Amino acid sequence: QVQLQESGPGLVKPSGTLSLTCSLSGGSVDSGSYYWSWIRQPPGKGLEWIGYIYYTGSTDYNPSLKSRVTVSLDTSNNQFSLNLKSVTAADTSVYYCARGTRYNYFDYWGQGTLVTVSS
Amino acid sequence: EILLTQSPGTLSLSPGESATLSCRASQSFNTIFLAWYQQRPGQSPRLLIYATSSRATGVPDRFSGSGSGTDFTLTISRLEPEDFAVYYCQQYAGSPWTFGQGTKVEVK
Repeated sequence: QVQLQESGPGLVKPSGTLSLTCSLSGGSVDSGSYYWSWIRQPPGKGLEWIGYIYYTGSTDYNPSLKSRVTVSLDTSNNQFSLNLKSVTAADTSVYYCARGTRYNYFDYWGQGTLVTVSS
Repeated sequence: EILLTQSPGTLSLSPGESATLSCRASQSFNTIFLAWYQQRPGQSPRLLIYATSSRATGVPDRFSGSGSGTDFTLTISRLEPEDFAVYYCQQYAGSPWTFGQGTKVEVK
């Protein structure tokens, strides 16, 4: 059974870098059938797709975040990661990792992790 | 960027009633590129429908999707207590993939 689990600091200082890791079990991040995405949700608000990485290392990012975002793959540990730099309070959200199908709808999601940006 | 507008914002219904949720896109796209998700309080979103009308594994048949062009609909027949939640549509016709703002189905 596919399971995704986010991990990382729950508190990041303004202007710092938010770093999260998603660990996959029940599957492999180097499968050519899926795209590995990050999605966020500010408290009480809707969903925003951040970006994805494919097993080849190719990426695509939301233009609204592209200048600050990097998504990377760690096939040896079956993980993928999110780095978001120069964060502000507006980046406070629950961050989800998710598996995207070849069409990029999301069939498996992690439980989400709340990241608060505050000094 | 394709914008998705969901209506109504909130739907107040009783168990056993039917719910009709709307998702309107800012531009037309193929029906294979529209999905619906359910999010219960404190939980992650759950895929319900993909390709406008295909139910995901394990989704009860009281959930159905329809639509074309710019107008898409999620229908929930005979609401069960566990169906009271927030529902999001998502397009994957063009990057960036975008979601609607959500429709909350609440108990009347």
